[in-house]
Amino acid sequence: NAGVTQTPKFQVLKTGQSMTLQCAQDMNHEYMSWYRQDPGMGLRLIHYSVGAGITDQGEVPNGYNVSRSTTEDFPLRLLSAAPSQTSVYFCASSYEGISGNTIYFGEGSWLTVV
Amino acid sequence: GENVEQHPSTLSVQEGDSAVIKCTYSDSASNYFPWYKQELGKRPQLIIDIRSNVGEKKDQRIAVTLNKTAKHFSLHITETQPEDSAVYFCAASLQRNEKLTFGTGTRLTIIP
Repeated sequence: NAGVTQTPKFQVLKTGQSMTLQCAQDMNHEYMSWYRQDPGMGLRLIHYSVGAGITDQGEVPNGYNVSRSTTEDFPLRLLSAAPSQTSVYFCASSYEGISGNTIYFGEGSWLTVV
Repeated sequence: GENVEQHPSTLSVQEGDSAVIKCTYSDSASNYFPWYKQELGKRPQLIIDIRSNVGEKKDQRIAVTLNKTAKHFSLHITETQPEDSAVYFCAASLQRNEKLTFGTGTRLTIIP
């Protein structure tokens, strides 16, 4: 049971390039989300999904796309990278259980856009 | 949408003393309030959470209180230890917590 796995851990992109951050969870969780964390700020929600085939926008969705073709995977695509997208990205998964909800975060992906 | 404010942004406490971090939220429909601890270069880790039907919850040296009328909740750490040094984030959401709104964080430093 690996939990939430994110790849890559570190990435440098040039402005205008595209890339995909991968996220996978092996806990059969219904909910998955992507957050970004910038210095001096909390985590901000980019996109989220409540199940396979269902996605929705969060607080800061511009410049990002997501898809949820399976329960396990929730990739985040940067369409045309900009320096403003330099950040740490966290994928998360959770479920709605009887005893409550717990969000599990991946280890993070450090992205630099030059 | 929901807005969460967190204070203070930095807090230094003598080892053994107590630390209190406060958050306010704007959406009265929010009913789930977790607290996360994040060490440098690491992922956020849930340390305690509270739901709107409870006014206080305690787990060893950590406690959280919630005042729904005033829309604020607080984290209390007693008998602080050096390993408590980290950044702490509060958050708020509705029951289905795929949409957490975070505060901006408090950097807690425990002075030996």
